[in-house]
Amino acid sequence: IAGITQAPTSQILAAGRRMTLRCTQDMRHNAMYWYRQDLGLGLRLIHYSNTAGTTGKGEVPDGYSVSRANTDDFPLTLASAVPSQTSVYFCASSKTGVTDTQYFGPGTRLTVL
Amino acid sequence: GQNIDQPTEMTATEGAIVQINCTYQTSGFNGLFWYQQHAGEAPTFLSYNVLDGLEEKGRFSSFLSRSKGYSYLLLKELQMKDSASYLCAVIASDYKLSFGAGTTVTVRA
Repeated sequence: IAGITQAPTSQILAAGRRMTLRCTQDMRHNAMYWYRQDLGLGLRLIHYSNTAGTTGKGEVPDGYSVSRANTDDFPLTLASAVPSQTSVYFCASSKTGVTDTQYFGPGTRLTVL
Repeated sequence: GQNIDQPTEMTATEGAIVQINCTYQTSGFNGLFWYQQHAGEAPTFLSYNVLDGLEEKGRFSSFLSRSKGYSYLLLKELQMKDSASYLCAVIASDYKLSFGAGTTVTVRA
């Protein structure tokens, strides 16, 4: 079934640890995005990639990094996790860019203690 | 930053109509999306408006007025399964999507 997957589903992490959230899509979409969703704040864009080999910063990029080595994969790395990064993280993709419908993965619930 | 406002919560009765308003103040405008998100799930696409006017899709309609910085999502013939959060999102001049905090709609029998 075509779509977008994320791993892990949930994770509890000690502060200071490094963590990579995985995101894979098989729709051959050019653009991919990472959001975090916090109660009362809605979805906020962390990083995005308009095409393989390029990335850009969103609204809240500090403490996060991404890479886009190929079309399908867009991992998000927390180099040294802090409690304020406790959130639900959604990966999304769209066919060509931001004016296209974004399809979201099921999310990763991350708790940093 | 971009400013996108929508009510926090709304309650309506099964079979009724509910209108969710969204006002935005952004640097430029390149389109507006509405997404639906059930509790614990991912957002799913409902509608996209880039020109003024009403877009109708089954029981759901979305309206846009660019001059007023205003949109609404109209849900007709409400069903229990429509209980969810509804997210308004705007593409500003930087071609990034900014989301409002979402409106939680509760449908009561």
